[in-house]
Amino acid sequence: QVQLQQWGAGLLKPSETLSLTCRVHGESFSGYYWTWVRQSPGKGLEWIGEINGGGITIYNPSLRSRLSISIDTATSTNQFSLRLSSVTAADTGVYYCARGGPSLNAWGQGTLVTVSS
Amino acid sequence: DIQMTQSPSTLSASVGDRVIITCRASQSISGYLAWYQQKPGKAPSLLIYRASNLQSGVPSRFRGSESGTDFTLTISSLQPDDFATYYCQQYSSSPYTFGQGTRLEIK
Repeated sequence: QVQLQQWGAGLLKPSETLSLTCRVHGESFSGYYWTWVRQSPGKGLEWIGEINGGGITIYNPSLRSRLSISIDTATSTNQFSLRLSSVTAADTGVYYCARGGPSLNAWGQGTLVTVSS
Repeated sequence: DIQMTQSPSTLSASVGDRVIITCRASQSISGYLAWYQQKPGKAPSLLIYRASNLQSGVPSRFRGSESGTDFTLTISSLQPDDFATYYCQQYSSSPYTFGQGTRLEIK
């Protein structure tokens, strides 16, 4: 049974870069879309973007200029990462990683990210 | 972007009730719609995919249906564990947008 474990910094200052990682246990990368979703009180659930096992990415156009999703190839574990640059208070929320097929049938536990000076 | 309009935003019901939540897409999504349940402090959980397919392990009292760009999630007989927030999501066209959610509360 697949499990997603995510981690990353939870408190950022404006203009810093948000960085989160999601490790996938019990599943290979191929055949799925590895996805990031965030949730904020003001905007509800927002699809951020995805990467497939071959490294092909699709980004939300509203975030594309600041966004990078990548597969971590430096380690022998299945993990993928999110980087969002130049954060503002509007980027505050809970960030989830998820496995897409393409409906999201497995989720990480969520990471609360707060952007505050 | 495809807009997903969910209604109602809040629904009050009792155990044993049959409830219906609707989601309307701003354009055709060819049935590429999922329904999720979310409980406070937890990640969403997939209930229905491809508009009407029940995710493995989800009770059969949950049913999804489609009529053009209108989608419904029906819970046939509410159980205490069903009081949560429900979201629809289209995955026909990127960005894959969500509805704003329906909070199902105990009457």
